[in-house]
Amino acid sequence: AQSVAQPEDQVNVAEGNPLTVKCTYSVSGNPYLFWYVQYPNRGLQFLLKYITGDNLVKGSYGFEAEFNKSQTSFHLKKPSALVSDSALYFCAVRPRNQAGTALIFGKGTTLSVSS
Amino acid sequence: ETGVTQSPTHLIKTRGQQVTLRCSSQSGHNTVSWYQQALGQGPQFIFQYYREEENGRGNFPPRFSGLQFPNYSSELNVNALELDDSALYLCASSSDRSSYNSPLHFGNGTRLTVT
Repeated sequence: AQSVAQPEDQVNVAEGNPLTVKCTYSVSGNPYLFWYVQYPNRGLQFLLKYITGDNLVKGSYGFEAEFNKSQTSFHLKKPSALVSDSALYFCAVRPRNQAGTALIFGKGTTLSVSS
Repeated sequence: ETGVTQSPTHLIKTRGQQVTLRCSSQSGHNTVSWYQQALGQGPQFIFQYYREEENGRGNFPPRFSGLQFPNYSSELNVNALELDDSALYLCASSSDRSSYNSPLHFGNGTRLTVT
């Protein structure tokens, strides 16, 4: 079965330190990869995506993500965390051979940035 | 540019009842998808509508049904509610059903509680 794994339920970092939120996937072919963020009582906001090309993609709010094909991973990173980055982060994939726009989401990782 | 709007924001229903949730897609978007996000889980794809027809469906029973209207707004209907249907229901729109690259634009969701 196709799946997305976010192995950490919660990631804690101090403000100003780098952060990494991990994501691995088990999807056939070369899926499209996405990161979304969710603030309390809100919908999901798009952060960034990987389609093809450079393994390091840059997105909104200073976030970037590193794609590793051999490890089937797509880790979210930020060089210097802000308290306002505290939120719930979701990794999602979309198989290339699947009609429509259905995304397969991970369970989410709560990022907590302390001041 | 008007974003995705959903109504109502919160709803409480009794087991066995029926519910209708509504969604207005983002301006210029003709495709609407619905997702169910249970507490502590990532969103799960219910179905997608394009030009008033369902063109993709996840692993949900037939008592989950929907409609899309000529103005691209959409409804999600759930019959014979069960306790496990309690969740945040998210609507997402996009500009083309085959735009695998395009991120989805999510509304803030409807929180459904079934008692």
